[in-house]
Amino acid sequence: SAVISQKPSRDICQRGTSLTIQCQVDSQVTMMFWYRQQPGQSLTLIATANQGSEATYESGFVIDKFPISRPNLTFSTLTVSNMSPEDSSIYLCSVLTGLEAFFGQGTRLTVV
Amino acid sequence: AQRVTQPEKLLSVFKGAPVELKCNYSYSGSPELFWYVQYSRQRLQLLLRHISRESIKGFTADLNKGETSFHLKKPFAQEEDSAMYYCALYSGGYQKVTFGTGTKLQVIP
Repeated sequence: SAVISQKPSRDICQRGTSLTIQCQVDSQVTMMFWYRQQPGQSLTLIATANQGSEATYESGFVIDKFPISRPNLTFSTLTVSNMSPEDSSIYLCSVLTGLEAFFGQGTRLTVV
Repeated sequence: AQRVTQPEKLLSVFKGAPVELKCNYSYSGSPELFWYVQYSRQRLQLLLRHISRESIKGFTADLNKGETSFHLKKPFAQEEDSAMYYCALYSGGYQKVTFGTGTKLQVIP
């Protein structure tokens, strides 16, 4: 299993600013995943963060908008840059242990 | 590409009634399928996986490769089952999980 601490749990931000979300895992993992969960919609994978290499972004997501750091095997950050109201969502950090996914509690972001 | 479809956004049933949450998938490889649940104010967590063929909290799910389905069932719904349920597919080739759009189950007392 894995225990994931994610912070902040929520934030209200002005448009045009950036927010960095942190994700800490209690064990070493090769890959960490960042998802977006919009109201009434599914979890959409933003990117996969591998330690020691560039993150792999899914279609529709770009590094300039969502830069990711992965400095070691237990930690990652996701930055939401130049925010607009459309970025208002819940952002989730996740890891896979075996085939099971574990999630952080999520960061509820509101952009005003 | 893999895809998971949950046709119902909301399913309302009375307490004691049977529940079936539908899930269909599309994947060219051998599927590994899961159901995840998110209770109010809690984080998303695994409910059950098809490979273990287990019953968790009275829920079961059978993988039907012919119909590419993995429906979640429970014979008698309880109020505490009210939650958001996500069907998910793990694709080993890509080492990632694809989620369905989720079904909100509402059990009416």
